[in-house]
Amino acid sequence: DTAVSQTPKYLVTQMGNDKSIKCEQNLGHDTMYWYKQDSKKFLKIMFSYNNKELIINETVPNRFSPKSPDKAHLNLHINSLELGDSAVYFCASSQDRGDFPYEQYFGPGTRLTVT
Amino acid sequence: ILNVEQSPQSLHVQEGDSTNFTCSFPSSNFYALHWYRWETAKSPEALFVMTLNGDEKKKGRISATLNTKEGYSYLYIKGSQPEDSATYLCAYNTGGFKTIFGAGTRLFVKA
Repeated sequence: DTAVSQTPKYLVTQMGNDKSIKCEQNLGHDTMYWYKQDSKKFLKIMFSYNNKELIINETVPNRFSPKSPDKAHLNLHINSLELGDSAVYFCASSQDRGDFPYEQYFGPGTRLTVT
Repeated sequence: ILNVEQSPQSLHVQEGDSTNFTCSFPSSNFYALHWYRWETAKSPEALFVMTLNGDEKKKGRISATLNTKEGYSYLYIKGSQPEDSATYLCAYNTGGFKTIFGAGTRLFVKA
């Protein structure tokens, strides 16, 4: 069984379009994250939700909007896509133990290409 | 700004060699230090999480140590095997849910 899944795995779209990436975890974790792998291969945190509440919102253009319908899902909507949005986006989850997270479990990544 | 630095950026070793690499992080407001293993075309997988100064963790041939006072962690691989080839990420956490990742050390093990 896949612990953290993302769909789609690949997404090719044109500038100006609106697209969504979906993430689901079946681990029963309380916290979910979206990361962007930048051109230098760094994983940069974008958003984090804990029990469906937004707890981390990094400096990300407001064209990016996360939505968490329940604890097991965290979707990423991107409006008016730009060339610079091309990257690999990773979803992750972790169990909340006290006031900091333990290890994160990552999805397979979604490679977004904006043309 | 929190910076996590890893060295070296890449490392080529022969099968059977033992190797180690370093993660440096700010020593103030430390909460946890994580190591992840990231194979090409796969997702990062957690190896260790350490929270206390002097912590040592071991999983098979891989072990890690933590010095929170001086802000570094070492990852050791004993008797490297080709299947150990991967990028090893460290990540630093100051509490809360924000984790800062380093750029990783890319390990190549030649048979």
